[in-house]
Amino acid sequence: AQSVSQHNHHVILSEAASLELGCNYSYGGTVNLFWYVQYPGQHLQLLLKYFSGDPLVKGIKGFEAEFIKSKFSFNLRKPSVQWSDTAEYFCAALLDSGAGSYQLTFGKGTKLSVIP
Amino acid sequence: DARVTQTPRHKVTEMGQEVTMRCQPILGHNTVFWYRQTMMQGLELLAYFRNRAPLDDSGMPKDRFSAEMPDATLATLKIQPSEPRDSAVYFCASGLIQGETQYFGPGTRLLVL
Repeated sequence: AQSVSQHNHHVILSEAASLELGCNYSYGGTVNLFWYVQYPGQHLQLLLKYFSGDPLVKGIKGFEAEFIKSKFSFNLRKPSVQWSDTAEYFCAALLDSGAGSYQLTFGKGTKLSVIP
Repeated sequence: DARVTQTPRHKVTEMGQEVTMRCQPILGHNTVFWYRQTMMQGLELLAYFRNRAPLDDSGMPKDRFSAEMPDATLATLKIQPSEPRDSAVYFCASGLIQGETQYFGPGTRLLVL
């Protein structure tokens, strides 16, 4: 079955530290990849997405992610985090289920806590 | 600013009661998704529709859950009878074409006592 794995359940960083959140997917075909962010008490918002082209994708709020096909990975990065980045981050993969249908599969999320 | 709307935002009910959650997708979007979010399981896809037809509801407990799209502007998710283990946040999302971004609603926070 298709799956998306996020390696870290909870990450705690000090402000200005660099961030990298891991994401791996298990699927050999064409895949579209997303990172969503959920701030406390709010709904999911799109941070960035990869469909094709340049594997280094830049999103909002200084986030970027790199698609490495050989490693089935799509890690999220930010050079310097802020307290306002405290949130839960979800990696997701849009996978072709066949017969013209598709499914967006989410990882279980990584909680990021940034300490002032 | 088009957005997905969901009602109610919060629902507290007793075990055994029927719960109906509603979603209004963004006008013109032809795919609608229902997700459930819990601390233990994270985000789970329950069902999704394209052009109002159900394409996949394998993630949904069939004995008590049902999802429908009576028209293009309304999707419903019903639980009957509800159980405490159904307590979660239920998100609706809509999208336009295959591969396109899904836009999430604010969610319905359900508590079944």
